[in-house]
Amino acid sequence: DIQMTQSPASLSVSVGETVTITCRASENIYSNLAWYQQKQGKSPQLLVYAATNLADGVPSRFSGSGSGTQYSLKINSLQSEDFGSYYCQHFWGTPWTFGGGTKLEIK
Amino acid sequence: QIQLVQSGPELKKPGETVKISCKASGYTFTNYGMNWVKQAPGKGLKWMGWINTNTGEPTYAEEFKGRFAFSLETSASTAYLQINNLKNEDTATYFCARRVGQYFDVWGAGTTVTVSS
Repeated sequence: DIQMTQSPASLSVSVGETVTITCRASENIYSNLAWYQQKQGKSPQLLVYAATNLADGVPSRFSGSGSGTQYSLKINSLQSEDFGSYYCQHFWGTPWTFGGGTKLEIK
Repeated sequence: QIQLVQSGPELKKPGETVKISCKASGYTFTNYGMNWVKQAPGKGLKWMGWINTNTGEPTYAEEFKGRFAFSLETSASTAYLQINNLKNEDTATYFCARRVGQYFDVWGAGTTVTVSS
């Protein structure tokens, strides 16, 4: 099974700052990676698919990058509505495992 | 609009059975696979498996083989998750999610299952 290692586990940042969350796969997943945002008490929402493609309606301050085993989600100029938890998920063969998550908190 | 509506919260005792529903609307149910995701309190997301809504064939992640069962009622565009012989560690929120290619684009609101004696 492919393991997804996400870092950092938590991050305390201020509005307006830029953050990068990374996800490392235990083997090459050929860009078959999605990123989700989850607000407290809500279901996850798709942000990025195929490593770099923004889902419909997602603000352009979000961007995904990476290839092979290393992937990143970057959020430019953080807004208050961006705080919550973020998860990566690979789709290179089942099980389609999630990363451990990154909790983004207000400083 | 496209949506997945899940059944309400459940309170069960250890050893009991629970069956959660996920009703799809706004799209052709059999065109997309349905996935189930577990989130224990304060924890991350865990993929449980998926069911092919065309053939009814389920695929389970290793941890969820045995007591867990995915099923369909295609005429009602509904997917089900049944958990038998409930244990305390089954206490969690369970999400259904539609898969489109290599991502989950629509999620249900989640069903909270609490197992307590």
